[in-house]
Amino acid sequence: EIVMTQSPATLSVSPGERTTLSCRASQSVSSNLAWYQQKPGQAPRLLIYGASTRATGVPARFSGSGSVTEFTLTISSLQSEDFAVYYCQQFHNWPRTFGQGTKVEIK
Amino acid sequence: QVQVVESGGGLVKPGGSLRLSCAASGFTFSDYYMSWIRQAPGKGLEWVSYISGSGSTIYYADSVKGRFTISRDNAKNSLYLQMNSLRVEDTAVYYCARPRAGVFDTWGQGTMVTVSS
Repeated sequence: EIVMTQSPATLSVSPGERTTLSCRASQSVSSNLAWYQQKPGQAPRLLIYGASTRATGVPARFSGSGSVTEFTLTISSLQSEDFAVYYCQQFHNWPRTFGQGTKVEIK
Repeated sequence: QVQVVESGGGLVKPGGSLRLSCAASGFTFSDYYMSWIRQAPGKGLEWVSYISGSGSTIYYADSVKGRFTISRDNAKNSLYLQMNSLRVEDTAVYYCARPRAGVFDTWGQGTMVTVSS
């Protein structure tokens, strides 16, 4: 099983700031990496797939990069609605596995 | 619009059984794999099971293999998860999700399963 490790566990950020979340895979997943956003009491929402392609309707302030084992999600200018938990997920191998999440909170 | 809606959650004793359902609409259900993903209270996401559009290909997480059974009825646009021999650690919100090319692009609102004596 591929283990996905996200860092940090919590990020305290001020609105308008740029922030970068990290995700590391225990073995190569090529570019088969997705990012999701989850707000309290809601289901996760797909943000990024293929490591860097934004899903439909996702604002351009969200961008993904990386390949093989190291990935990042960058939010260029945090808006109030972006404070949430973010998960990465690999779809290179079975079983599909998620990171433990990074919580982005208001500083 | 594309939508999936789960139902069937509730409180069950350890060792008990429960059947979850997921009603799909807004897309050709039989064309898509479907999946169950769960989230324990305050925890992260765990993929549980996956079924092909025809039902011929099925995968399970090791944590539920032999206890849970995924199935679908394409005539009813419905997905199911039969959960037997439930354990306290199965307590979670269970999401029905539609995978496309490996990623989960559509999620339901989830149904809560609580396993407790």
